[in-house]
Amino acid sequence: NAGVTQTPKFQVLKTGQSMTLQCAQDMNHEYMSWYRQDPGMGLRLIHYSVGAGITDQGEVPNGYNVSRSTTEDFPLRLLSAAPSQTSVYFCASTLRRTDTQYFGPGTRLTVL
Amino acid sequence: GEDVEQSLFLSVREGDSSVINCTYTDSSSTYLYWYKQEPGAGLQLLTYIFSNMDMKQDQRLTVLLNKKDKHLSLRIADTQTGDSAIYFCAESSGAGSYQLTFGKGTKLSVIP
Repeated sequence: NAGVTQTPKFQVLKTGQSMTLQCAQDMNHEYMSWYRQDPGMGLRLIHYSVGAGITDQGEVPNGYNVSRSTTEDFPLRLLSAAPSQTSVYFCASTLRRTDTQYFGPGTRLTVL
Repeated sequence: GEDVEQSLFLSVREGDSSVINCTYTDSSSTYLYWYKQEPGAGLQLLTYIFSNMDMKQDQRLTVLLNKKDKHLSLRIADTQTGDSAIYFCAESSGAGSYQLTFGKGTKLSVIP
């Protein structure tokens, strides 16, 4: 199993550009989540999904969209990038509601 | 909303014990987690404790939970230079482990 994979590892955008951060898992996990990590801060939940076709907002959802068309994939879309979205983004997945989360390696995004 | 607090820095000598402390506010927390993050890497789950337990031991790691005071600690025995990292405390409410609230992290520096 590859576990949780994220692409790209690094990305630089200009203000106003859009892009999609990819996340995939091959463990048949129902639950998937996106977090962002800013310097000196813990991780904050952006969006999560409890199964294919079901998504919901976390603590900091503004400026981000998600969809979950398959169990394996959970992409995060930035519609119009802003410098405040410069961060490291982590995707995570969980098999069952109370199981532990497995984290991907992260995507480091810089918005100029 | 829920809050998780940790001290930001801890410095110990190699071979000594490290104790990292965490307080949380959500009385409905069901699981409490400790994650380790090495520079440039994702998060690695170290251990977790269910809220109806008061202690859990796993090799060099001991987790203590005082539910009355909402205080969690992680003790690392015989601390090694490889333990140098940022340690995050996280809690999940009844919703599930896919919605974690993280502390800001404690940077542990081990002095040879």
